[in-house]
Amino acid sequence: GAVVSQHPSRVICKSGTSVKIECRSLDFQATTMFWYRQFPKQSLMLMATSNEGSKATYEQGVEKDKFLINHASLTLSTLTVTSAHPEDSSFYICSATLTGYDSPLHFGNGTRLTVT
Amino acid sequence: ILNVEQSPQSLHVQEGDSTNFTCSFPSSNFYALHWYRWETAKSPKALFVMTLNGDEKKKGRISATLNTKEGYSYLYIKGSQPEDSATYLCASNNDMRFGAGTRLTVKP
Repeated sequence: GAVVSQHPSRVICKSGTSVKIECRSLDFQATTMFWYRQFPKQSLMLMATSNEGSKATYEQGVEKDKFLINHASLTLSTLTVTSAHPEDSSFYICSATLTGYDSPLHFGNGTRLTVT
Repeated sequence: ILNVEQSPQSLHVQEGDSTNFTCSFPSSNFYALHWYRWETAKSPKALFVMTLNGDEKKKGRISATLNTKEGYSYLYIKGSQPEDSATYLCASNNDMRFGAGTRLTVKP
């Protein structure tokens, strides 16, 4: 149980285009979803926290107009990288939690974004 | 401590060795401490979620302790095996920001 599906796993796009990444909890309703980014040889950096039906809470330094997060239902959150640039190339990974911060996170498999 | 800190950054041990590493976190407004194991090319998997001071949890050869008053948690691996090689991450409180991780390599 507690499976999180993230798509696509890899995407290559041209500079200036937008890319949407989906994160779905397949067998549970996620009260909160988290989006992370991994820079080369670094740990996971929290980008934003989203709750269903609410605006996402972005970490300091993360441009909310650049990284649009929508949490339309208890099972789906999307991250859209708008007007992508090569510096947006990175590994993005989502996670979801069932009941709150004292329950474990369940991670998707991540998305490798390459902007050419 | 303002953020979650993990040490050491990396660790190389021989198969069969026991090892441990540390997660330090802000002790004020503590809510929960999470440990995750992240293997290469896979997604992080939860090991433990700990909430009570003095808590000790165990899963096979891996165990963890928690001290919320002084703001640290230890993760122990007994008799390390090559399959234990991974990055171990911790996160605390209600923001789920991770530390930099400890990268463990177990040599056969």
